[in-house]
Order: sequence, then C-alpha cells, then structure tokens
Amino acid sequence: GEDVEQSLFLSVREGDSSVINCTYTDSSSTYLYWYKQEPGAGLQLLTYIFSNMDMKQDQRLTVLLNKKDKHLSLRIADTQTGDSAIYFCAESLSGYSTLTFGKGTMLLVSP
Amino acid sequence: NAGVMQNPRHLVRRRGQEARLRCSPMKGHSHVYWYRQLPEEGLKFMVYLQKENIIDESGMPKERFSAEFPKEGPSILRIQQVVRGDSAAYFCASSPRIHDSSYEQYFGPGTRLTVT
Repeated sequence: GEDVEQSLFLSVREGDSSVINCTYTDSSSTYLYWYKQEPGAGLQLLTYIFSNMDMKQDQRLTVLLNKKDKHLSLRIADTQTGDSAIYFCAESLSGYSTLTFGKGTMLLVSP
Repeated sequence: NAGVMQNPRHLVRRRGQEARLRCSPMKGHSHVYWYRQLPEEGLKFMVYLQKENIIDESGMPKERFSAEFPKEGPSILRIQQVVRGDSAAYFCASSPRIHDSSYEQYFGPGTRLTVT
C-alpha cells in the first residue's frame, strides 16, 4: 500500500541549514515532490525529483533521494524566518496521476 | 496568468445543509484534482477529473459526495447533508498533463468548510 511518513516538527535558527526527511513505502513511485504550505494558504510546489535521480539542486534547496531505502530529504540552506511553514512530501506512482502526501513537517525558524 | 481559483475561501454550513465548492483550473489546464485536508493531517486524494469525465474517484466517500467538471465552467465538489466530520480544508489542483507519466499539480488556496 501507499504510505508516506514524515517527522512532525523541526526547529532551527536563522542562517542554519534545515533538513526535512521523508520515507515512502511504494517502490514503484516515479516522482517525489516537496510542497510548502504557509498558514491559511494553499500548497506551493517547491521542487520534485524523478526516481532515476539521486540529487537535485535548486538555489537554496537540495533534494536527496535514496531509492534503495525509500528515503527522501529536503535541505534548505541558510534558512530564513520566511521559510517557516509546513513542508509536505508527496509521491506519485508510475502511470497513476494522483499524489499521496505525508502529514507534513512544521518548520519553525527562530531569529 | 491567474493561478487556480477556488471559491468560496470560507464556507459555513449547518448540519444537513449542502455545500458546493468551486474550482477554476489554470488557463490551459484540463485536469482537475480534489484533495481534503483534515485538521493536522496531510492531504488525501478524493477525485480526479477531466472535462466531462471522472477519471478516478477512489478517494471519494461513497455517499453524499459528488464531483463534476463540465465542458464549460468550474469544477464543482458537492457535499450533501453535511456532518461535522466534513469540516476540513478542500483543495483543488490542476495540471496540464505534459505526458503520460509526468505532471505538475498546481494548487488553489483552498476552501475551508466549517459545519456547525
């Protein structure tokens, strides 16, 4: 079955790096996503990675994928207070178009 | 290019009433998805539609819930005889369906339904 797990909470200081982790169970997942949700808002797609990639970098964001362990991480460099939000990991299966989300990790960045 | 539009943003209904939630996809997008977010939970898939077709409704409750995406106009998620457990944020997403195995879903701001 499909299941995506995330730690619920992460607290960092401004300027530090943040690492948010995610595990998934379905080995046929083709695409893995990171979304950001600010309070009272919708979800903003931050980045995604194909299952045949190990790493993807986009400005301050680095996504690492360990397909063998079914582990995905999002690293935010030089974390700012504006990065405080809930971060959702999501997967989609090959040939199946809907997203399966984790419960989200609340990132709190303190000055 | 406007993003995904949802209205209303907030909706209050009494138990037993009907709730209608609307979603206008991004321009050029022909695929619409509805997700529900219960308090302190992740988003759960409900239904996936193309124009005039329901592609996958495996996440929809069997009773009281229905969805449509007509040829003209927004997609509608309809909840009949609402109960307190329906209180949640309902998000719509749209995608252009680039090719068979790749897509990006763009989310609207959500409709927050409160059942009193």
